[in-house]
Amino acid sequence: AQSVTQPDIHITVSEGASLELRCNYSYGATPYLFWYVQSPGQGLQLLLKYFSGDTLVQGIKGFEAEFKRSQSSFNLRKPSVHWSDAAEYFCAVGQPSNTGNQFYFGTGTSLTVIP
Amino acid sequence: EAQVTQNPRYLITVTGKKLTVTCSQNMNHEYMSWYRQDPGLGLRQIYYSMNVEVTDKGDVPEGYKVSRKEKRNFPLILESPSPNQTSLYFCASSLSTGTHVNEQYFGPGTRLTVT
Repeated sequence: AQSVTQPDIHITVSEGASLELRCNYSYGATPYLFWYVQSPGQGLQLLLKYFSGDTLVQGIKGFEAEFKRSQSSFNLRKPSVHWSDAAEYFCAVGQPSNTGNQFYFGTGTSLTVIP
Repeated sequence: EAQVTQNPRYLITVTGKKLTVTCSQNMNHEYMSWYRQDPGLGLRQIYYSMNVEVTDKGDVPEGYKVSRKEKRNFPLILESPSPNQTSLYFCASSLSTGTHVNEQYFGPGTRLTVT
């Protein structure tokens, strides 16, 4: 089965500092990769996605992620964090199938932003 | 407004009392899915549906049923809820097809407590 690992359960950064959230996946073929953000009490919102092509993808809210096949990684980055970025972040991989697509999520990384 | 709606948003029930959580989307998506979110475990897929009358099990289907009689609706049924089904539930929909995976759009969540 596919799997997604987010090794950092919780990260604290200062406002204005840079951010990198790690994501490693296990998947045999070229993966469909996603980053979602969940603010407290809210549903999940898509930040960005990677299907193919340029390995550096840009998303909303100033986030970007880089797909590295050799490392099976899809790390999320932001050059300057804002207090409103405090949330839970989930990495996910999608698996195509004629019988239906399955999605696998990491356990999430909780981000705290300190002034 | 394009959206996924879930009802109810909060539900407290007792062991063994059948319940249904409704999910509806207005984006004409063929793919719909249910997840549960538990602390430290991230989101886990319960069931998914590629189209009307086509459903399949995800990673954690035990104790749940679904149906897809209309394209826009995908209810989650707990025939005999147990306390270990206390969780936060999300419905999602997507333009995903069998050969291509697209991002999912999530509902606001349903917090279920089974006593």
